[in-house]
Amino acid sequence: GENVEQHPSTLSVQEGDSAVIKCTYSDSASNYFPWYKQELGKGPQLIIDIRSNVGEKKDQRIAVTLNKTAKHFSLHITETQPEDSAVYFCAAGRMDSSYKLIFGSGTRLLVRP
Amino acid sequence: GAVVSQHPSWVICKSGTSVKIECRSLDFQATTMFWYRQFPKQSLMLMATSNEGSKATYEQGVEKDKFLINHASLTLSTLTVTSAHPEDSSFYICSAPPGQGYYGYTFGSGTRLTVV
Repeated sequence: GENVEQHPSTLSVQEGDSAVIKCTYSDSASNYFPWYKQELGKGPQLIIDIRSNVGEKKDQRIAVTLNKTAKHFSLHITETQPEDSAVYFCAAGRMDSSYKLIFGSGTRLLVRP
Repeated sequence: GAVVSQHPSWVICKSGTSVKIECRSLDFQATTMFWYRQFPKQSLMLMATSNEGSKATYEQGVEKDKFLINHASLTLSTLTVTSAHPEDSSFYICSAPPGQGYYGYTFGSGTRLTVV
């Protein structure tokens, strides 16, 4: 079945450094790849997404890259701040139909002051 | 933007009782709703997909008789946990897929279920 793998499971960085989280997906029909930040007790919050017709997207300190051939996509956070500490999830789905969104296993990011 | 209202945000119930969780699409019509379950420090696992006017589709390993899903209208989907047990304690989240007039998947705020 469809599967999304996410690495690493935990990531600790010094404030100001960059953080990179990587995901791979199995369903070649997936064309939508969102990243979510989740705080304790709350639902996932969309922070950035990318569609399969784009290789890279950037929003201030956050960027996402997509390699369709390899079925890889990555989240890059630059100039990390303590408030970036949270659990991040990647996911894969489709924008053109009512198709389920499959989540990666999550990465717990800790930004050390 | 699209909003999904999920209630209750938290509930505590006794073992053996049933609990209903509601998700309403406030400003759009959701013909489909996904229901996820999330255990502490784990990912969101898809439980089932509800479709307005037809039976829900359950993922492998999810008990249909225990987790009753109803999609009564284009704006309401419900999940009922029947005969709840402590192992059903979890965070339940609904999500509507992309549709006309709105972008991306829209999530409810989640329901923390604790069975004592």
